[in-house]
Amino acid sequence: EAQVTQNPRYLITVTGKKLTVTCSQNMNHEYMSWYRQDPGLGLRQIYYSMNVEVTDKGDVPEGYKVSRKEKRNFPLILESPSPNQTSLYFCASSFRGQGDGYTFGSGTRLTVV
Amino acid sequence: GQQVMQIPQYQHVQEGEDFTTYCNSSTTLSNIQWYKQRPGGHPVFLIQLVKSGEVKKQKRLTFQFGEAKKNSSLHITATQTTDVGTYFCAGQVGTYKYIFGTGTRLKVLA
Repeated sequence: EAQVTQNPRYLITVTGKKLTVTCSQNMNHEYMSWYRQDPGLGLRQIYYSMNVEVTDKGDVPEGYKVSRKEKRNFPLILESPSPNQTSLYFCASSFRGQGDGYTFGSGTRLTVV
Repeated sequence: GQQVMQIPQYQHVQEGEDFTTYCNSSTTLSNIQWYKQRPGGHPVFLIQLVKSGEVKKQKRLTFQFGEAKKNSSLHITATQTTDVGTYFCAGQVGTYKYIFGTGTRLKVLA
């Protein structure tokens, strides 16, 4: 089944403890992206990647890191999480990143205390 | 900065009534996409509109792209309880760059 897989689905952590949210897609998509969803603010882009080893900042990149060493994987790294990073995170992918719809993962609900 | 506003934020309708959500951009869009997110779920791609004035239909859903390519609408005829969810538009404002609207949460009362 064609899908984007995120893990974990839920995560509670403490301020400052590094964490990684994994994202993997099995559709051979070139483009992958991370979003955070907060009430009243919709989906805001954190980082995106057009291909292996090519990444760029979205609208809210502060406090996040990404890497794209393989086409299928695009992990999101929070080096020192803070409470304002408590949010619902979605990974998404598409063939080209423009002109075709995104496939979203099931989401990761992160709480930083 | 570039913004995509979506109204209304919430809409409650009786089952069988029609529903419309509107998307307005501060800049011209290359194309616009629509997504549906069920409660507790993730956004699911519905459709993409590319041409000025384009109208597309999917069963009871009608999507329009404005002549100036700065606004769009989604209209649902005779809503059903399965239509419940949040509807997002996403406008392409640059290469690889889409801006999502804030979403319209639809509740359908049986």
